[in-house]
Amino acid sequence: SAVISQKPSRDICQRGTSLTIQCQVDSQVTMMFWYRQQPGQSLTLIATANQGSEATYESGFVIDKFPISRPNLTFSTLTVSNMSPEDSSIYLCSARTATNEKLFFGSGTQLSVL
Amino acid sequence: GQQLNQSPQSMFIQEGEDVSMNCTSSSIFNTWLWYKQDPGEGPVLLIALYKAGELTSNGRLTAQFGITRKDSFLNISASIPSDVGIYFCAGAPLNYGQNFVFGPGTRLSVLP
Repeated sequence: SAVISQKPSRDICQRGTSLTIQCQVDSQVTMMFWYRQQPGQSLTLIATANQGSEATYESGFVIDKFPISRPNLTFSTLTVSNMSPEDSSIYLCSARTATNEKLFFGSGTQLSVL
Repeated sequence: GQQLNQSPQSMFIQEGEDVSMNCTSSSIFNTWLWYKQDPGEGPVLLIALYKAGELTSNGRLTAQFGITRKDSFLNISASIPSDVGIYFCAGAPLNYGQNFVFGPGTRLSVLP
């Protein structure tokens, strides 16, 4: 399994500011992802974080709004830029193991934008 | 895009009862994962299934990979208060490397 540490666990931010969320995995994994979970909803994939190159974004998500870095196999960051109240959600880091194709999640970052 | 349906959306049961929920898709999946999410936490992986017909248990939880590869089932026996939460299924489409698709979740409430 993979243990995923994510921080901050929660934040309250002002409109127009940016927040960077960090994700650290305790073992080498093949893939890392960022998901958004809006209140009362399921999980929506934002992007796949690619090591040393630009992330692969899903439809509806763009790099200017959600820049992602993955400088090595076990660390990634997601920035939520120029925030608005509509960005209030839980943001989840996840990692996929090389064997047995399991997907693990961090504890999430609860973001509230005022 | 591919979508998963989960049934029921929510359920209220008495402590000690058994629970059944399912996840269905219109297309074939080659992996099914079941998660539980508590408030304020990330989803926790409960069971992973990789072959059609596979039946796997984790304590009081049992999940099955449907024969048609388009569905999966999760059963909880003798429910207890800490079973309360949202249960999500996730499926990996047939082509390796495609991302997991998540169902909308089943919200479980256990009455003492």
